[in-house]
Amino acid sequence: EAQVTQNPRYLITVTGKKLTVTCSQNMNHEYMSWYRQDPGLGLRQIYYSMNVEVTDKGDVPEGYKVSRKEKRNFPLILESPSPNQTSLYFCASSRTFSSNQPQHFGDGTRLSIL
Amino acid sequence: GIQVEQSPPDLILQEGANSTLRCNFSDSVNNLQWFHQNPWGQLINLFYIPSGTKQNGRLSATTVATERYSLLYISSSQTTDSGVYFCAAKETSGSRLTFGEGTQLTVNP
Repeated sequence: EAQVTQNPRYLITVTGKKLTVTCSQNMNHEYMSWYRQDPGLGLRQIYYSMNVEVTDKGDVPEGYKVSRKEKRNFPLILESPSPNQTSLYFCASSRTFSSNQPQHFGDGTRLSIL
Repeated sequence: GIQVEQSPPDLILQEGANSTLRCNFSDSVNNLQWFHQNPWGQLINLFYIPSGTKQNGRLSATTVATERYSLLYISSSQTTDSGVYFCAAKETSGSRLTFGEGTQLTVNP
């Protein structure tokens, strides 16, 4: 089954404790992206990757890191999480950056930073 | 960047009623998608429809790209249709989907 898998689905942690949210897709997609969703602000892009070893900032990259060492994986790293990073996070992928193809979304990760 | 506006922001229906949700976008797009966000927060992909008309059961969607709008039709609504419906568009030269603010749909029994 074609899918985007995020882990964990839920996480409660404390300020400053490094964490990684994993994202994996099994569709051989080149393009992957991270979004965060906040009440009143909608979904905003954090980072995206057009292919292996190619990443770029989205609208709200501060406080986040990403890497794309393999095509299927695109982890989101919070080196020193803060309460303002409490949010619902989504990973997405599509065939290519410029393709007129749909983006497929993971089920979301709810992060609470205390 | 592209602007995406949805209307209405809130909609309350009785079970069995029909509804139309609208999405206006400000630029040419090569990707337009409709999503339903369920109570568990999952984004369910309803339609990929940068132009034309598609139908899937009780749901259908139409995008008129030249006039920069898309419509989502829900017929014979059910309580399980409740949730937030998002339209998202990607401009031809863009790097991301830009989401509208959503329509909160409540279907009462």
